[in-house]
Amino acid sequence: DAKTTQPPSMDCAEGRAANLPCNHSTISGNEYVYWYRQIHSQGPQYIIHGLKNNETNEMASLIITEDRKSSTLILPHATLRDTAVYYCIVRDNYGQNFVFGPGTRLSVLP
Amino acid sequence: SQTIHQWPATLVQPVGSPLSLECTVEGTSNPNLYWYRQAAGRGLQLLFYSVGIGQISSEVPQNLSASRPQDRQFILSSKKLLLSDSGFYLCAWSAQGNYGYTFGSGTRLTVV
Repeated sequence: DAKTTQPPSMDCAEGRAANLPCNHSTISGNEYVYWYRQIHSQGPQYIIHGLKNNETNEMASLIITEDRKSSTLILPHATLRDTAVYYCIVRDNYGQNFVFGPGTRLSVLP
Repeated sequence: SQTIHQWPATLVQPVGSPLSLECTVEGTSNPNLYWYRQAAGRGLQLLFYSVGIGQISSEVPQNLSASRPQDRQFILSSKKLLLSDSGFYLCAWSAQGNYGYTFGSGTRLTVV
């Protein structure tokens, strides 16, 4: 079973920031938060991951709360090509497999 | 750089026919390899994973099997396909000990 809960769908206006929440209240100390996205009919694409500090890369920012029980993926300027299903996954780095939940279907609207 | 290849991209097979999907990874050695399936409108389900040649772990009982005859080759097979085997099959790899997965482009299988 997935260890995360996400809203099933969200809309965002093109050019605005998309903020995708994820709850992981049972996360343990050695588990990372990973984000992937899947554009229709393609394989999932890695976006970003973090342990407890906020992270930023060329695709997105990841904000993790201090208690690590939730996080938010931020796409700063959403484009139509960001329309996809976004998966939030928690996993340690000692051999756990990735378990994908249903994710959040983000629709970026013109 | 590392790349992952999956083929074919699409496949239509009759019920009862055999199946062989191949996945290869380049640019790395001793990767962890994975097969996932995504039924229409559903999430990704882990089917098999392998941490080395000849080492296969199955996550769910099913009509499929997997093999790893070479370090960077992972094969998904079936002797007799069922209608319920239809779906989008994804191969992925990760470095030993961790980190994120890199997925292939997938094979869309339709069993008719």
